[in-house]
Amino acid sequence: EAGVAQSPRYKIIEKRQSVAFWCNPISGHATLYWYQQILGQGPKLLIQFQNNGVVDDSQLPKDRFSAERLKGVDSTLKIQPAKLEDSAVYLCASSLLGQGLAEAFFGQGTRLTVV
Amino acid sequence: GQSLEQPSEVTAVEGAIVQINCTYQTSGFYGLSWYQQHDGGAPTFLSYNALDGLEETGRFSSFLSRSDSYGYLLLQELQMKDSASYFCAVYNNNDMRFGAGTRLTVKP
Repeated sequence: EAGVAQSPRYKIIEKRQSVAFWCNPISGHATLYWYQQILGQGPKLLIQFQNNGVVDDSQLPKDRFSAERLKGVDSTLKIQPAKLEDSAVYLCASSLLGQGLAEAFFGQGTRLTVV
Repeated sequence: GQSLEQPSEVTAVEGAIVQINCTYQTSGFYGLSWYQQHDGGAPTFLSYNALDGLEETGRFSSFLSRSDSYGYLLLQELQMKDSASYFCAVYNNNDMRFGAGTRLTVKP
């Protein structure tokens, strides 16, 4: 089966610009996660969707980050405006169910550099 | 709040056994998972424990003690390719959160 697809793989933008990332989860996976991983650190959960509803977005900086999951399938994560500290790898993951009832599969991530 | 603690670095030699510990604090605990991540790669699933005890998958085993809020990943017969970062991840009522990771270096 096809894995989790993310695009773009790399993105360089200037601070205060906007950027969007796209994720296509594995077909049939109800749960979708967006993580931010700064170099040398563990993935930090930004938002979790169950189908097209938000389960947890407590760590999403809502003044600049937004995410949506259209029709419970694809998802986009947007940053507007970007700051230098947003430089990180943005990982999308999906699983059949939440609460660890199924393993999560990760995409290759989008490496964002804000200059 | 939630917290996960794991050692930042571990070094071992080929063929050895290494144990990576993880202690956690969370509400609504469901289970503990372990993920491996090579430099520049995506995290990949290794194991999941929802109940107390040991789960074995080939050279890797994972243990959970819910009463102690503690788990560990045991890697046996270490190989050079096992050099990577290892993350414990806690599942609770709402989400899946990761620890800061343990960087394992396997030396010849």
